[in-house]
This record gives sequence, structure tokens and C-alpha cells, in this order.
Amino acid sequence: SQTIHQWPATLVQPVGSPLSLECTVEGTSNPNLYWYRQAAGRGLQLLFYSVGIGQISSEVPQNLSASRPQDRQFILSSKKLLLSDSGFYLCAGDAGFETQYFGPGTRLLVL
Amino acid sequence: GDSVTQMEGPVTLSEEAFLTINCTYTATGYPSLFWYVQYPGEGLQLLLKATKADDKGSNKGFEATYRKETTSFHLEKGSVQVSDSAVYFCALSDHNAGNMLTFGGGTRLMVKP
Repeated sequence: SQTIHQWPATLVQPVGSPLSLECTVEGTSNPNLYWYRQAAGRGLQLLFYSVGIGQISSEVPQNLSASRPQDRQFILSSKKLLLSDSGFYLCAGDAGFETQYFGPGTRLLVL
Repeated sequence: GDSVTQMEGPVTLSEEAFLTINCTYTATGYPSLFWYVQYPGEGLQLLLKATKADDKGSNKGFEATYRKETTSFHLEKGSVQVSDSAVYFCALSDHNAGNMLTFGGGTRLMVKP
């Protein structure tokens, strides 16, 4: 079975600073990968998904971007954080089958 | 487009009470249906799933039956425990849209001793 790793677990950043969140996958090759955001007390919003190296699809236009430099690595970035970027960021993957497995999440607080 | 609607929470129950969390969906194709659980401060864990009509998914005392005629996938448990306190998400995967998941808004369950 696959395991999703995320880091850092918690991050506090000032407004206007850059962001880099990392997600890596163990136990499978060529997974589909996903970034979700969960605002406090709310549901999940799909931000990006990737079906392979260098292939990124964006679901919501915003100041965030994603990259997939390696098969099992998925990075979420921002050049300048906004207050509204605060939230819980979840990485997920599937092995081409329909069940997605989630990482432990990164809690981001922008001050 | 596809959508999932869950009952709004929070749902507050006493230990050993019966739990039902309603979930209904709309989809253009023949989706698979999922329940995920999120314990405080953690990511989501797959709780159970069903891939076709009349299938029953079950795990840890929870169960849900895929009802095509009512487009529903209600989550039930006969006797909840304090440790079941979490947020529960219903989701669907429409095979016409790859493996993309559409989530409901989540339902917070609080179980009191």
C-alpha cells in the first residue's frame, strides 16, 4: 500500500513571504497526486492534481502553484502568501485506482 | 457536474447511541462512493467504500449501503464511542472523470461519555 509523507507539519509565515510544502509518496510508481486545502471548519477544496512528472492541472486560480519534479514528489508553492492562504493542506495520491490515500497534512498560519 | 451533500453538523451523541450521517449525491455516470474520517489534527483516512449499486461498505462497526434509487450513501453505526469523535466526509469518484474525488462538506461528530 502507498504512504503519503508531508512536511512540515506546522508552519507559521508572515504575509508576503514565500511558501514551499513538500509531499512524497512511498509504495507505488506513477501515482496521480493531489493537493487539497481545508479552511477552518470547512470541507476540502481541490487545488491541483498531477498525472505525471511535469503535468499539473489547476482547479482554482490563485496565487499558489504546484510542481512535480519527480514521479513521487509533489510541491506546493507560493511567491507571496496572503492571509487567506491560511488553512490545512493535504496531499493525496492514488495508484491509478480510485481510492485516494492522504498524508497527515500541513497546518499553515499566515500572519 | 457531480456533487455530494451531507447533513450539516455538528452531530452530538451520547456514547452507545445509534449514528446516522446522511449523504446524497448527483453524478452523470456510475460513481464509486466513499466515507473518509478525519480525526482532530490529522489527515483523512478511508473508512469504507462501495463501488456499485446495492454494495455495502463496512469497517470498524460503520457501514453504508450504495442506494442508486435514492442516490444515497448514508453512514451508520449501531453504538458510537467517544473515540469516534471526528469529521466524516462523504465522497464520490466518477469514472467518467478519472479518479477525481468530489467531497461533501463534512459532518463533525462529537460523542460524549
